[in-house]
Amino acid sequence: GQNIDQPTEMTATEGAIVQINCTYQTSGFNGLFWYQQHAGEAPTFLSYNVLDGLEEKGRFSSFLSRSKGYSYLLLKELQMKDSASYLCAVRTGNTPLVFGKGTRLSVIA
Amino acid sequence: SQTIHQWPATLVQPVGSPLSLECTVEGTSNPNLYWYRQAAGRGLQLLFYSVGIGQISSEVPQNLSASRPQDRQFILSSKKLLLSDSGFYLCAWSARDRGSYEQYFGPGTRLTVT
Repeated sequence: GQNIDQPTEMTATEGAIVQINCTYQTSGFNGLFWYQQHAGEAPTFLSYNVLDGLEEKGRFSSFLSRSKGYSYLLLKELQMKDSASYLCAVRTGNTPLVFGKGTRLSVIA
Repeated sequence: SQTIHQWPATLVQPVGSPLSLECTVEGTSNPNLYWYRQAAGRGLQLLFYSVGIGQISSEVPQNLSASRPQDRQFILSSKKLLLSDSGFYLCAWSARDRGSYEQYFGPGTRLTVT
Protein backbone atom coordinates (compact mmCIF):
# COMPACT_ATOMS: atom_id res chain seq x y z
CA GLY A 1 0.00 0.00 0.00
CA GLN A 2 0.90 3.64 0.04
CA ASN A 3 1.24 6.06 2.92
CA ILE A 4 1.15 9.78 2.20
CA ASP A 5 1.57 12.34 4.97
CA GLN A 6 1.12 16.09 4.92
CA PRO A 7 0.36 18.61 7.66
CA THR A 8 -3.34 19.15 8.28
CA GLU A 9 -3.30 22.94 8.49
CA MET A 10 -0.92 25.86 7.95
CA THR A 11 -1.26 29.62 8.26
CA ALA A 12 0.88 32.18 6.48
CA THR A 13 0.88 35.93 5.91
CA GLU A 14 0.03 37.66 2.65
CA GLY A 15 3.19 38.39 0.66
CA ALA A 16 5.23 35.74 2.48
CA ILE A 17 6.60 32.36 1.34
CA VAL A 18 5.19 29.06 2.57
CA GLN A 19 6.46 25.50 2.14
CA ILE A 20 4.04 22.57 2.32
CA ASN A 21 5.73 19.23 2.88
CA CYS A 22 4.66 15.79 1.78
CA THR A 23 6.26 12.47 2.66
CA TYR A 24 5.34 9.18 1.08
CA GLN A 25 6.12 5.50 1.31
CA THR A 26 5.47 3.43 -1.78
CA SER A 27 6.97 0.89 -4.13
CA GLY A 28 7.12 1.39 -7.88
CA PHE A 29 7.07 5.19 -7.62
CA ASN A 30 6.06 6.81 -10.91
CA GLY A 31 5.39 10.45 -10.14
CA LEU A 32 4.29 12.94 -7.51
CA PHE A 33 1.55 15.49 -8.12
CA TRP A 34 0.30 18.59 -6.36
CA TYR A 35 -3.26 19.85 -6.62
CA GLN A 36 -5.03 22.94 -5.29
CA GLN A 37 -8.60 22.67 -4.04
CA HIS A 38 -10.64 25.70 -3.02
CA ALA A 39 -13.50 25.05 -0.60
CA GLY A 40 -16.47 23.48 -2.35
CA GLU A 41 -14.65 23.11 -5.66
CA ALA A 42 -12.84 20.36 -7.54
CA PRO A 43 -9.05 19.95 -7.30
CA THR A 44 -6.97 21.61 -10.02
CA PHE A 45 -3.60 20.31 -11.18
CA LEU A 46 -0.58 22.37 -10.11
CA SER A 47 2.59 20.39 -10.71
CA TYR A 48 4.22 17.06 -11.49
CA ASN A 49 7.61 15.70 -10.47
CA VAL A 50 9.07 12.37 -11.48
CA LEU A 51 12.79 13.16 -11.27
CA ASP A 52 14.67 14.64 -8.33
CA GLY A 53 14.88 18.39 -8.23
CA LEU A 54 12.87 21.56 -8.41
CA GLU A 55 10.16 22.40 -10.94
CA GLU A 56 9.15 26.06 -11.08
CA LYS A 57 5.90 27.49 -12.41
CA GLY A 58 5.50 31.16 -11.69
CA ARG A 59 4.87 31.69 -7.98
CA PHE A 60 4.65 27.94 -7.36
CA SER A 61 7.55 25.48 -7.22
CA SER A 62 7.61 21.78 -6.39
CA PHE A 63 10.58 19.75 -5.22
CA LEU A 64 11.12 16.00 -5.15
CA SER A 65 13.65 13.71 -3.48
CA ARG A 66 12.89 10.12 -4.44
CA SER A 67 15.53 8.64 -2.12
CA LYS A 68 13.92 10.40 0.85
CA GLY A 69 10.31 9.91 -0.22
CA TYR A 70 9.84 13.63 0.19
CA SER A 71 8.33 16.51 -1.73
CA TYR A 72 7.40 20.07 -1.00
CA LEU A 73 5.29 22.73 -2.64
CA LEU A 74 6.65 26.26 -2.31
CA LEU A 75 4.31 29.21 -2.72
CA LYS A 76 5.89 32.65 -3.06
CA GLU A 77 4.36 36.12 -2.75
CA LEU A 78 1.29 34.69 -1.09
CA GLN A 79 -2.07 36.14 -2.03
CA MET A 80 -5.40 35.84 -0.25
CA LYS A 81 -6.69 33.73 -3.14
CA ASP A 82 -4.05 31.10 -2.32
CA SER A 83 -6.13 30.12 0.72
CA ALA A 84 -7.11 26.55 -0.20
CA SER A 85 -6.30 22.93 0.46
CA TYR A 86 -3.19 21.55 -1.22
CA LEU A 87 -3.23 17.86 -2.05
CA CYS A 88 -0.18 15.70 -2.55
CA ALA A 89 -0.72 12.61 -4.72
CA VAL A 90 1.51 9.72 -5.73
CA ARG A 91 1.39 7.41 -8.72
CA THR A 92 2.88 3.94 -8.70
CA GLY A 93 3.27 2.03 -11.94
CA ASN A 94 0.26 2.66 -14.15
CA THR A 95 -2.27 2.91 -11.33
CA PRO A 96 -4.54 5.88 -10.54
CA LEU A 97 -3.28 8.60 -8.25
CA VAL A 98 -3.48 8.08 -4.51
CA PHE A 99 -4.06 11.30 -2.61
CA GLY A 100 -2.99 12.49 0.79
CA LYS A 101 -5.59 14.11 3.03
CA GLY A 102 -4.47 17.58 2.06
CA THR A 103 -3.08 20.63 3.83
CA ARG A 104 -5.49 23.49 4.48
CA LEU A 105 -3.61 26.76 3.98
CA SER A 106 -5.00 29.99 5.39
CA VAL A 107 -3.46 33.22 4.15
CA ILE A 108 -3.96 36.12 6.55
CA ALA A 109 -3.43 39.84 6.07
CA SER B 1 -9.13 21.80 -25.54
CA GLN B 2 -10.51 19.14 -23.25
CA THR B 3 -13.46 19.63 -20.95
CA ILE B 4 -15.14 17.36 -18.44
CA HIS B 5 -18.76 17.65 -17.39
CA GLN B 6 -20.63 16.20 -14.44
CA TRP B 7 -24.28 16.34 -13.53
CA PRO B 8 -26.16 17.02 -11.50
CA ALA B 9 -24.15 19.57 -9.50
CA THR B 10 -26.08 18.89 -6.30
CA LEU B 11 -28.44 16.13 -5.28
CA VAL B 12 -30.47 15.35 -2.18
CA GLN B 13 -31.76 11.79 -2.05
CA PRO B 14 -33.50 9.71 0.64
CA VAL B 15 -31.94 6.56 2.06
CA GLY B 16 -32.80 3.54 -0.05
CA SER B 17 -33.32 5.47 -3.28
CA PRO B 18 -31.33 4.78 -6.48
CA LEU B 19 -28.52 6.96 -7.81
CA SER B 20 -27.13 7.78 -11.21
CA LEU B 21 -24.33 10.29 -11.71
CA GLU B 22 -23.00 11.01 -15.17
CA CYS B 23 -19.64 12.21 -16.38
CA THR B 24 -18.62 13.03 -19.96
CA VAL B 25 -15.33 14.18 -21.43
CA GLU B 26 -14.91 16.23 -24.59
CA GLY B 27 -11.89 16.95 -26.75
CA THR B 28 -9.98 13.72 -26.20
CA SER B 29 -10.22 10.11 -27.23
CA ASN B 30 -9.69 6.91 -25.27
CA PRO B 31 -9.14 8.58 -21.90
CA ASN B 32 -8.67 6.83 -18.58
CA LEU B 33 -11.65 7.71 -16.39
CA TYR B 34 -11.98 7.78 -12.61
CA TRP B 35 -14.60 8.21 -9.89
CA TYR B 36 -13.47 9.59 -6.52
CA ARG B 37 -15.45 10.44 -3.40
CA GLN B 38 -14.50 13.09 -0.86
CA ALA B 39 -16.37 12.89 2.43
CA ALA B 40 -16.53 15.97 4.64
CA GLY B 41 -13.09 16.71 6.11
CA ARG B 42 -11.53 13.67 4.47
CA GLY B 43 -9.25 12.94 1.56
CA LEU B 44 -10.08 11.77 -1.94
CA GLN B 45 -11.01 8.10 -2.07
CA LEU B 46 -10.74 6.29 -5.39
CA LEU B 47 -13.93 4.34 -6.11
CA PHE B 48 -13.59 3.10 -9.70
CA TYR B 49 -11.42 3.56 -12.73
CA SER B 50 -11.70 2.55 -16.36
CA VAL B 51 -9.12 2.16 -19.13
CA GLY B 52 -11.68 1.50 -21.86
CA ILE B 53 -15.32 0.84 -22.78
CA GLY B 54 -16.79 -1.81 -20.53
CA GLN B 55 -13.59 -2.10 -18.47
CA ILE B 56 -14.13 -1.17 -14.82
CA SER B 57 -11.85 -1.67 -11.84
CA SER B 58 -13.35 -1.35 -8.39
CA GLU B 59 -11.18 -0.13 -5.56
CA VAL B 60 -13.56 -0.24 -2.61
CA PRO B 61 -16.31 -2.85 -2.06
CA GLN B 62 -19.58 -1.04 -1.44
CA ASN B 63 -23.08 -0.58 -2.77
CA LEU B 64 -21.92 1.53 -5.70
CA SER B 65 -21.21 0.42 -9.26
CA ALA B 66 -19.79 2.08 -12.36
CA SER B 67 -20.26 1.63 -16.08
CA ARG B 68 -18.62 2.98 -19.21
CA PRO B 69 -21.08 2.57 -22.06
CA GLN B 70 -19.18 4.90 -24.41
CA ASP B 71 -15.56 5.98 -24.75
CA ARG B 72 -16.05 9.33 -23.08
CA GLN B 73 -18.93 8.55 -20.72
CA PHE B 74 -18.63 7.25 -17.18
CA ILE B 75 -21.62 6.56 -14.94
CA LEU B 76 -21.75 5.96 -11.19
CA SER B 77 -24.81 4.15 -9.87
CA SER B 78 -26.39 2.70 -6.79
CA LYS B 79 -29.56 0.67 -6.36
CA LYS B 80 -30.08 1.73 -2.73
CA LEU B 81 -28.31 4.67 -1.15
CA LEU B 82 -26.96 4.61 2.40
CA LEU B 83 -26.42 7.60 4.69
CA SER B 84 -22.69 6.95 4.42
CA ASP B 85 -22.85 7.57 0.65
CA SER B 86 -23.11 11.31 1.25
CA GLY B 87 -20.14 13.22 -0.10
CA PHE B 88 -18.58 15.09 -2.97
CA TYR B 89 -18.28 12.85 -6.03
CA LEU B 90 -15.59 13.76 -8.51
CA CYS B 91 -15.02 12.36 -11.96
CA ALA B 92 -11.56 12.71 -13.50
CA TRP B 93 -9.79 11.84 -16.72
CA SER B 94 -6.21 11.34 -17.82
CA ALA B 95 -4.66 10.97 -21.25
CA ARG B 96 -3.06 7.65 -22.14
CA ASP B 97 -0.50 9.17 -24.44
CA ARG B 98 0.82 11.70 -21.92
CA GLY B 99 3.69 10.26 -19.89
CA SER B 100 2.82 12.20 -16.76
CA TYR B 101 -0.77 10.89 -16.56
CA GLU B 102 -1.95 13.85 -14.52
CA GLN B 103 -5.65 13.65 -13.77
CA TYR B 104 -8.10 16.45 -14.49
CA PHE B 105 -11.25 16.71 -12.42
CA GLY B 106 -14.81 17.62 -13.29
CA PRO B 107 -16.76 20.14 -11.21
CA GLY B 108 -18.19 17.42 -8.95
CA THR B 109 -21.59 16.39 -7.62
CA ARG B 110 -22.43 17.11 -4.01
CA LEU B 111 -24.69 14.28 -2.78
CA THR B 112 -26.61 14.44 0.48
CA VAL B 113 -28.43 11.30 1.56
CA THR B 114 -31.18 12.03 4.09
